[in-house]
Amino acid sequence: ETGVTQSPTHLIKTRGQQVTLRCSSQSGHNTVSWYQQALGQGPQFIFQYYREEENGRGNFPPRFSGLQFPNYSSELNVNALELDDSALYLCASSRGGRGGAPYGYTFGSGTRLTVV
Amino acid sequence: RKEVEQDPGPFNVPEGATVAFNCTYSNSASQSFFWYRQDCRKEPKLLMSVYSSGNEDGRFTAQLNRASQYISLLIRDSKLSDSATYLCVVNSPSNTGKLIFGQGTTLQVKP
Repeated sequence: ETGVTQSPTHLIKTRGQQVTLRCSSQSGHNTVSWYQQALGQGPQFIFQYYREEENGRGNFPPRFSGLQFPNYSSELNVNALELDDSALYLCASSRGGRGGAPYGYTFGSGTRLTVV
Repeated sequence: RKEVEQDPGPFNVPEGATVAFNCTYSNSASQSFFWYRQDCRKEPKLLMSVYSSGNEDGRFTAQLNRASQYISLLIRDSKLSDSATYLCVVNSPSNTGKLIFGQGTTLQVKP
């Protein structure tokens, strides 16, 4: 079974630009979550998508938005990039529907975004 | 107060040592608890879930104390390959699927 794949692996953007990050869920997983991990910190929850709808959101401004597609793949969009958005962005998929993940979460290897 | 707190370390131990990591969480309604391992510049990977009765997986033992809101991970007979960051993780009771991560504890096992 294929795991979670993310693209691109690395990205450099200029402050004020927009970026789209992509994630393909693990086969059989119907829920996808996005996390931001700054250097030296644990991942921070951005939001979760289930059945193409946002199920929950962390403490991130509206310029962070997402989509989930019928094949359960997902995008994270960030507008008006700021220097503090520089981080590792992780996608995690699970099967278990809204809220729960009794079978655990599988993380992709992440996209490392640098904003200059 | 952080929702999940860990001592960031680093913990530097010799091969064969026993090392223990601790973690506290703030929301008493939390129901699911995990330890994840993260290697440098890689994604977090599930090490083990933590159950109320305590559970063991080879050299790794996890304990949960709900009354104290305290989670621990014990690693026996440390190997060089155990060097990594260990993340204490709590599933938010808010039904959003949110995982709340601690800052992580860095372990360096030396020959």
